[in-house]
Amino acid sequence: GEDVEQSLFLSVREGDSSVINCTYTDSSSTYLYWYKQEPGAGLQLLTYIFSNMDMKQDQRLTVLLNKKDKHLSLRIADTQTGDSAIYFCAERNGGSQGNLIFGKGTKLSVKP
Amino acid sequence: GAVVSQHPSRVICKSGTSVKIECRSLDFQATTMFWYRQFPKQSLMLMATSNEGSKATYEQGVEKDKFLINHASLTLSTLTVTSAHPEDSSFYICSANPWRGVETQYFGPGTRLLVL
Repeated sequence: GEDVEQSLFLSVREGDSSVINCTYTDSSSTYLYWYKQEPGAGLQLLTYIFSNMDMKQDQRLTVLLNKKDKHLSLRIADTQTGDSAIYFCAERNGGSQGNLIFGKGTKLSVKP
Repeated sequence: GAVVSQHPSRVICKSGTSVKIECRSLDFQATTMFWYRQFPKQSLMLMATSNEGSKATYEQGVEKDKFLINHASLTLSTLTVTSAHPEDSSFYICSANPWRGVETQYFGPGTRLLVL
């Protein structure tokens, strides 16, 4: 079945870049997503990428997709303490009405 | 942007009671809504897919008689946890796909359920 893997923790200093990595197994995934979850809150969509793209940039966020290796990464430039949260990678299963398969989440800690 | 609300945000109940959680899409119509469950420090696990006007599709291992889902309109889906037990304590999150079938889901803020 489908599986999404992420490292569980990442710690960076304020001002540095953060890179969160994700691997997935379903080669038919059409969209891949990054969500942010702050403590006690729901999920906030950060960005997504269509599978025929290899890069997408949105302000401080850069998503890189290596479809051959089924590897997705999220780079946050100039990381701030407000970026501390859990970041979930997800792939869509089954077309535009399909559910999302989530990784376990990477907890990003930003030290001042 | 698309907004999804959930009510209540937090609920504490006694074991054996039933709890209803509402999920509403506030500014769009959602033909499909999803219910997820998240245990502490865990990922989201899909419980069921709710389609307006038809029966929900439950994931393997999720008891449909315990977790009742009703998607009565294009803007409202409800999850009822029947005869709740302490092991049902969790964070329940819904999400919705807009009618226009855009490429993402919008998530509600979640409902924290604590069963004593």
